[in-house]
Amino acid sequence: AQSVTQPDIHITVSEGASLELRCNYSYGATPYLFWYVQSPGQGLQLLLKYFSGDTLVQGIKGFEAEFKRSQSSFNLRKPSVHWSDAAEYFCAVGNAAGNKLTFGGGTRVLVKP
Amino acid sequence: SAVISQKPSRDICQRGTSLTIQCQVDSQVTMMFWYRQQPGQSLTLIATANQGSEATYESGFVIDKFPISRPNLTFSTLTVSNMSPEDSSIYLCSVDGANYGYTFGSGTRLTVV
Repeated sequence: AQSVTQPDIHITVSEGASLELRCNYSYGATPYLFWYVQSPGQGLQLLLKYFSGDTLVQGIKGFEAEFKRSQSSFNLRKPSVHWSDAAEYFCAVGNAAGNKLTFGGGTRVLVKP
Repeated sequence: SAVISQKPSRDICQRGTSLTIQCQVDSQVTMMFWYRQQPGQSLTLIATANQGSEATYESGFVIDKFPISRPNLTFSTLTVSNMSPEDSSIYLCSVDGANYGYTFGSGTRLTVV
C-alpha cells in the first residue's frame, strides 16, 4: 500500500528566507507525486506534480521539488518565502493516472515578518 | 484543467439529519473521488465514484453512512447520513485532470450540532 510521510508538522520561517518541506513516500513502482497548498478556509491548489522525466520539477508561485528515487523523497523548496506563503502544504502520491491519491499529514508553514 | 463546482460551501446541520453535497465538473471524467478532512487533519479518501457502477469505499467508510451517486460523467453527490458531531469536517470532491494533475472542489465545511 502506498503511504506518505511529512516529518515536519510545523515550520516557521522568516520572510525572505528559504523554505524546504520534506516528503517521503512508500510505493513499489514509479509514483505519481504531487504537492498541494491549502490556505486557511480555502480548497487545495496544485503547486506541482511529477509523473516522469526530469526529476527537478518547477511549479507555480516560485516552488520547485526534486524527486529522488534512491531516498523515496519529493521535497518542496522555495528560495525566498513571502508572507502569502503561510499555509498548509500537503504531499500526495498516486499509483497511476486516474487512481486515488494518498496524502501526507501536512506541514503548516508560518512566516515571520 | 477541469473546473469543479461544489456546493454547498458550508452548512450547519442538526444531528440525526442528512446532508447531500454536489459536485459538478465542466468536462467529462471517468472517476471522481470524495475526501474528508477532519479539523486540523489531512485528507482521507472516502470513496471512488465511477459512472455506471457502485462506488468503491475505503476501509472505515460504508455506503449506508456515505451513499454516493454518479448519474453521469460530469456530476456526483455524496450524502452524509444520520450525522453526528464527529462528522463535522470538510468534504471535498476531486477529479483526475490527467496532465494537469488532480483538481479539487472548494470543499463543503460541515458542522454538526
